[in-house]
Amino acid sequence: TQLLEQSPQFLSIQEGENLTVYCNSSSVFSSLQWYRQEPGEGPVLLVTVVTGGEVKKLKRLTFQFGDARKDSSLHITAAQPGDTGLYLCAGFSGGSNYKLTFGKGTLLTVNP
Amino acid sequence: EAGVTQFPSHSVIEKGQTVTLRCDPISGHDNLYWYRRVMGKEIKFLLHFVKESKQDESGMPNNRFLAERTGGTYSTLKVQPAELEDSGVYFCASSPRFPSGNTIYFGEGSWLTVV
Repeated sequence: TQLLEQSPQFLSIQEGENLTVYCNSSSVFSSLQWYRQEPGEGPVLLVTVVTGGEVKKLKRLTFQFGDARKDSSLHITAAQPGDTGLYLCAGFSGGSNYKLTFGKGTLLTVNP
Repeated sequence: EAGVTQFPSHSVIEKGQTVTLRCDPISGHDNLYWYRRVMGKEIKFLLHFVKESKQDESGMPNNRFLAERTGGTYSTLKVQPAELEDSGVYFCASSPRFPSGNTIYFGEGSWLTVV
């Protein structure tokens, strides 16, 4: 069974601070996605990383896929209260492009 | 364009009763998925439809769960009889036949509480 371990599970920071969320596995994923989920909503896709070592930027968010495609990180620069939410990593494996394995998520609270 | 819609948003039923969850995917999306998150656990894959055909139902917990997608449009997920451990959030998601960038669109979820 493939598992994705996310850390930290909870993170509470002040507006303007930087943070990094980690997603680790002992398994290789063909691609990995990051989602953001707000209360009462479903997960919304932020980014997909495919190539080992790939770095993608989305405004203040930087996503990195590990060289071995077993881990990923999400870095947020100068966090804003609007960044508050549950961040989920999820991976496709075994050539599948539809079956996602999710991590448990990181609940981020950015205080004004 | 309407997103993935799920009904009901919340349901509270007694152990042993039956519940049917409905999902309307984004119009034109051939792929439809059901996922579930139980308390304290990660979101887990249940099954995948391509149009009306079940492509992968390896994540279905047991035979108390029955998913259908008649006509390849909306889908239902029936739990009969419900057990306490079935409580959780059931997410439906959809994507085009060949999703660009592997983009899958999730609904808001149906919260099920079995008491």
